[in-house]
Amino acid sequence: DAGVIQSPRHEVTEMGQEVTLRCKPISGHNSLFWYRQTMMRGLELLIYFNNNVPIDDSGMPEDRFSAKMPNASFSTLKIQPSEPRDSAVYFCASSSRSGQQNTEAFFGQGTRLTVV
Amino acid sequence: AQSVTQPDIHITVSEGASLELRCNYSYGATPYLFWYVQSPGQGLQLLLKYFSGDTLVQGIKGFEAEFKRSQSSFNLRKPSVHWSDAAEYFCAVRASGNTPLVFGKGTRLSVIA
Repeated sequence: DAGVIQSPRHEVTEMGQEVTLRCKPISGHNSLFWYRQTMMRGLELLIYFNNNVPIDDSGMPEDRFSAKMPNASFSTLKIQPSEPRDSAVYFCASSSRSGQQNTEAFFGQGTRLTVV
Repeated sequence: AQSVTQPDIHITVSEGASLELRCNYSYGATPYLFWYVQSPGQGLQLLLKYFSGDTLVQGIKGFEAEFKRSQSSFNLRKPSVHWSDAAEYFCAVRASGNTPLVFGKGTRLSVIA
């Protein structure tokens, strides 16, 4: 398997523009997580899905942020409108519930977002 | 709710020296525990994990960690550090197989000659 695939790897956009980050989880995984990493706050959970259903979005900072998972192989995180304080690295991760040993989450390479 | 504390923000060790990175967690039951490593510009790679059984777990790249329930700790160790080990290390806790991982703030490891 190619692992968790995120696109784009880098995104530079102007304040006020819409930004869409994409994630393809590992095939067969039924949990998907979006994290944001900044120097000040470290790794923060934004939202997670189980079986394509959003379970907890309490980490989404504002209504400007939204996430969808239309099927088991694709998820998006959208920021509209974007602001400079949204600049961060956004990670997608997936995991499988099958078996007690399969407890870790696998991370994508991340999307580095810069809002100018 | 779970939480993780990594008390050391930055550690510098000499190449060939031993290493111990500290991690304390807060959780009512026995959690799933993890150590991840992140190199600059990269994602997080799993070093090792604990979910039950032997409290001393072996991981990749010569790392090991010991779960101590009485101290709520899961410290990472390596007997001899290599320059390529310089990276950011994250300890994480998880309540069950379909809940999110909660991460500590990370410890940045620098290795000097």
